[in-house]
Amino acid sequence: DVKVTQSSRYLVKRTGEKVFLECVQDMDHENMFWYRQDPGLGLRLIYFSYDVKMKEKGDIPEGYSVSREKKERFSLILESASTNQTSMYLCASNLGAPDTQYFGPGTRLTVL
Amino acid sequence: AQSVTQPDIHITVSEGASLELRCNYSYGATPYLFWYVQSPGQGLQLLLKYFSGDTLVQGIKGFEAEFKRSQSSFNLRKPSVHWSDAAEYFCAVKRQAGTALIFGKGTTLSVSS
Repeated sequence: DVKVTQSSRYLVKRTGEKVFLECVQDMDHENMFWYRQDPGLGLRLIYFSYDVKMKEKGDIPEGYSVSREKKERFSLILESASTNQTSMYLCASNLGAPDTQYFGPGTRLTVL
Repeated sequence: AQSVTQPDIHITVSEGASLELRCNYSYGATPYLFWYVQSPGQGLQLLLKYFSGDTLVQGIKGFEAEFKRSQSSFNLRKPSVHWSDAAEYFCAVKRQAGTALIFGKGTTLSVSS
């Protein structure tokens, strides 16, 4: 079974802090994704990566950056956390288009 | 621009009754379509997908979906709902460029006894 893990289920940070969300997949997938999920808005794509050190902006990249130094690991970085970044963050991966995306359990981030 | 519409925000169904969740997409060519389910506090699990071929697709947990090109729809159905089906359901379409998905806003299913 494909497994996508996220470093934290719940995270509480202060405004202005630098926040790192980690995601690891164990199936040698080429593509990895970060989504943000908010009630009534569904999932929105923040960034994705199709190879090591490669990244592409999604629909809402402002305030976020990403890092992919190893194929299995994709990190989402909030450079200076703000209260409007309080949300559920979901990581996903797949082998290629149009392959199924496999999701991690999510990180619920609260920024105070 | 591509989009996915799930017209129903919240649906309540009696246990044992049938279920249909609606999904409409906007896309010019043949789309790649997905239904995911999210139980409370969990990530998303794939229920089924349509890439090509037979327009009636069978998935896990007794779910099926039918692709109707003329209606730009991909509705999810289940003949008899169980209490454990209470969850949020998301319809998604693969983007034209690349492999990322565009999701609908979701439909929350409640099951009454």
